[in-house]
Amino acid sequence: ETGVTQTPRHLVMGMTNKKSLKCEQHLGHNAMYWYKQSAKKPLELMFVYSLEERVENNSVPSRFSPECPNSSHLFLHLHTLQPEDSALYLCASSHLQSSGTDTQYFGPGTRLTVL
Amino acid sequence: GQQVMQIPQYQHVQEGEDFTTYCNSSTTLSNIQWYKQRPGGHPVFLIQLVKSGEVKKQKRLTFQFGEAKKNSSLHITATQTTDVGTYFCAGPRGGADGLTFGKGTHLIIQP
Repeated sequence: ETGVTQTPRHLVMGMTNKKSLKCEQHLGHNAMYWYKQSAKKPLELMFVYSLEERVENNSVPSRFSPECPNSSHLFLHLHTLQPEDSALYLCASSHLQSSGTDTQYFGPGTRLTVL
Repeated sequence: GQQVMQIPQYQHVQEGEDFTTYCNSSTTLSNIQWYKQRPGGHPVFLIQLVKSGEVKKQKRLTFQFGEAKKNSSLHITATQTTDVGTYFCAGPRGGADGLTFGKGTHLIIQP
């Protein structure tokens, strides 16, 4: 176990639904991330939170809305998704250092299917 | 923007054969990291290389960082079925948090 948990592990939703993905890290890290992994693309960084502040939105559509209420929890709120948003959504955390090593610890992911 | 490229995309080997995956960055990297993702699993950190020309070993795995700090390789000696998975390299995003990942090399082992 990496100390990063995600729920749910699988999610099927229609295009008009609203759902949320949850991530929790138990490693005392100060940064959390959302990545998208689909079959035809590399791991895509979606959002970065450092010290609970969003420092980057990597050109992600507004139908994805992140929330980071504290350094241990991260949410991804989903609404009016498209079938092409079906993918594995991975949460990660890291301990940001001045040296910039930034090793990512990933959760098990949520397999999302949009019908 | 920064790009990290990996080849090959897929590699089929017989069990016991060696395997190598190569990673190239469009920019000089302060460090490079390698991750392994088993089928149905999530990426797991393997190692980080920091110094120019650095070589590190983990049992049958040998990792190298190029002299110019723009390329890296992972070599597995005498592959075993437990080595199956996708191997990713990743580099820092140059002043921003998070990593840029390569597309990964899928290692398929035939018994």
